[in-house]
Amino acid sequence: SSELTQDPAVSVALGQTVRITCQGDSLRSYYASWYQQKPGQAPVLVIFGKNNRPSGIPDRFSGYTSGNTASLTITGAQAEDEADYFCDSRDSSGNHLVFGGGTKLTVL
Amino acid sequence: QVQLQQWGAGLLKPSETLSLTCAVYGGSFNVYYWSWIRQPPGKGLEWIGEITHSGSTNYNPSLKSRVTISVDTSKNQFSLKLSSVTAADTAVYYCARIIVVPAATLYYMDVWGKGTTVTVSS
Repeated sequence: SSELTQDPAVSVALGQTVRITCQGDSLRSYYASWYQQKPGQAPVLVIFGKNNRPSGIPDRFSGYTSGNTASLTITGAQAEDEADYFCDSRDSSGNHLVFGGGTKLTVL
Repeated sequence: QVQLQQWGAGLLKPSETLSLTCAVYGGSFNVYYWSWIRQPPGKGLEWIGEITHSGSTNYNPSLKSRVTISVDTSKNQFSLKLSSVTAADTAVYYCARIIVVPAATLYYMDVWGKGTTVTVSS
């Protein structure tokens, strides 16, 4: 399969924990990566691999994969975390990249 | 600090060919994959394709018949051509660097260009 499925929208109260999920058969073979995109800006990598954060990404962001589902968790969400979040992975062949449809996170 | 600087024509007529170039500054060119991604207005990200420094390419099957990605290692640049554009190709186009660790089944895009808005209109 070459599809990754995300919930279109999720909300979280300020300071609370939120999990954003990404489902797809290819996640059984390849790690997902997660990107944050704010309006008018390019995406920014926030999680890659098993649970790795690039330099400069706060440690409130974490990742986890089980079976065909990858999760991005924000522990103690901040107002500045309000953004669109996209997952990606290789497809089952490994020759193509696929994106999830994106999740719009609202911090209340 | 690696930076990607991209440029190209921002306004095209239907049936014309989109042409964008991305230059890599501040880092090695030869150990990564290089990719193009687009985002139509108000929509999600769509992977267009990728190229290695040696010129091997992979393309999105839905765009493969119209896409060519090439590389110029002497200039640390890679380019995108998309032929026979229509209004559906109107989008922000991004270039990005892909880190590849095949043994770990790990691929991720760690550096992105700022994006180029391309509008197709008659």
